[in-house]
Amino acid sequence: EAGVTQFPSHSVIEKGQTVTLRCDPISGHDNLYWYRRVMGKEIKFLLHFVKESKQDESGMPNNRFLAERTGGTYSTLKVQPAELEDSGVYFCASSQRGTLQYFGPGTRLTVT
Amino acid sequence: GEDVEQSLFLSVREGDSSVINCTYTDSSSTYLYWYKQEPGAGLQLLTYIFSNMDMKQDQRLTVLLNKKDKHLSLRIADTQTGDSAIYFCAERAYGGDYKLSFGAGTTVTVRA
Repeated sequence: EAGVTQFPSHSVIEKGQTVTLRCDPISGHDNLYWYRRVMGKEIKFLLHFVKESKQDESGMPNNRFLAERTGGTYSTLKVQPAELEDSGVYFCASSQRGTLQYFGPGTRLTVT
Repeated sequence: GEDVEQSLFLSVREGDSSVINCTYTDSSSTYLYWYKQEPGAGLQLLTYIFSNMDMKQDQRLTVLLNKKDKHLSLRIADTQTGDSAIYFCAERAYGGDYKLSFGAGTTVTVRA
């Protein structure tokens, strides 16, 4: 069974540009989550999808971040326009129910 | 509150036992987790414990939970060089809210 995959693994963009991160969850997992780790600090929750619906987006930092999960399969997280403080590692996770969340390898975003 | 605290660094000699500690503040935590991140890799779910348990053992890993003191620990027996990684403690609160709250991670270095 394939695990959670994320693309790209690393992205370097300039301040003001747009970046779109993609996450493919484990097949059959209705729950999909986005988390972020900034500058070696704790990993923070961004949002949670159940199928295509946003269940909880309380962790989204501001309206420059837009997450979608059309069709309830893969998800994208777009940052527009990117700021320096958006640099960090963005993790995606999925779960069948809520108990065990399996994480992808992360996307390292560097905004210069 | 959802604060999770961990010490940042631990150095241990190969063959010794490692003990990684974590404290949390949310008394409604239902599940507590340990994730491992090896260099250049994603988050790997190591083990988890339900809040009505005091201890869980899985091969070289022992998880101890002191719910009264809100203290969680992970003991790794016979630590090997492959155990060098960042270890994250995480909690999930009670209810339908599936988001995990993480600590900042403990970097474990195994020396020969």
